[in-house]
Amino acid sequence: DTGVSQNPRHKITKRGQNVTFRCDPISEHNRLYWYRQTLGQGPEFLTYFQNEAQLEKSRLLSDRFSAERPKGSFSTLEIQRTEQGDSAMYLCASSPPAGLHNEQFFGPGTRLTVL
Amino acid sequence: AQKVTQAQTEISVVEKEDVTLDCVYETRDTTYYLFWYKQPPSGELVFLIRRNSFDEQNEISGRYSWNFQKSTSSFNFTITASQVVDSAVYFCALSEAGRNYGGSQGNLIFGKGTKLSVKP
Repeated sequence: DTGVSQNPRHKITKRGQNVTFRCDPISEHNRLYWYRQTLGQGPEFLTYFQNEAQLEKSRLLSDRFSAERPKGSFSTLEIQRTEQGDSAMYLCASSPPAGLHNEQFFGPGTRLTVL
Repeated sequence: AQKVTQAQTEISVVEKEDVTLDCVYETRDTTYYLFWYKQPPSGELVFLIRRNSFDEQNEISGRYSWNFQKSTSSFNFTITASQVVDSAVYFCALSEAGRNYGGSQGNLIFGKGTKLSVKP
């Protein structure tokens, strides 16, 4: 399968714990996006990478959220000291180099439940 | 500010009926892109169409058609002869590309979605 993959698919954690999610984009895609989707809402943009550079991170929800893409391939999203309000679906998307506003290909998401 | 409004929260139709999903957007940019995505019960967002702000031609792809009207800032989606497999949540999204307001990094601004249920 050559689509965007995300792991884990589901994560249940206790409040206050740290969690990390991984996204593997389509191999030739240099742009990578993270979104958050809560129940009944559309996805909400969090952050964006072009290769290994994080070009937009002002939309990260708080300083507890951070993301990396160290080698310009896979990316991780970490949430520290989780809160119940962090419960949501976290989506990753990638898009190819040609054209900034091309379609984005989404992964299946990681569903986070904070108890 | 940029915004996408999908006023229809849920729509229920019977198979073979035609259905139109509404999308209204707000942007200060003259250059932007509009998208529709489908999110079936499995959860993965599936790309349906992209349209740029300079192309107001309507588009038809099989049973799907899109009507883009800049005068009313709308980008509506019609499914003809709906089928049960069309049941999903449909999202309209906007990506700003103009230089005047700093543009964007291609990130999508989504509406809240319209849940379509097609009953046999």
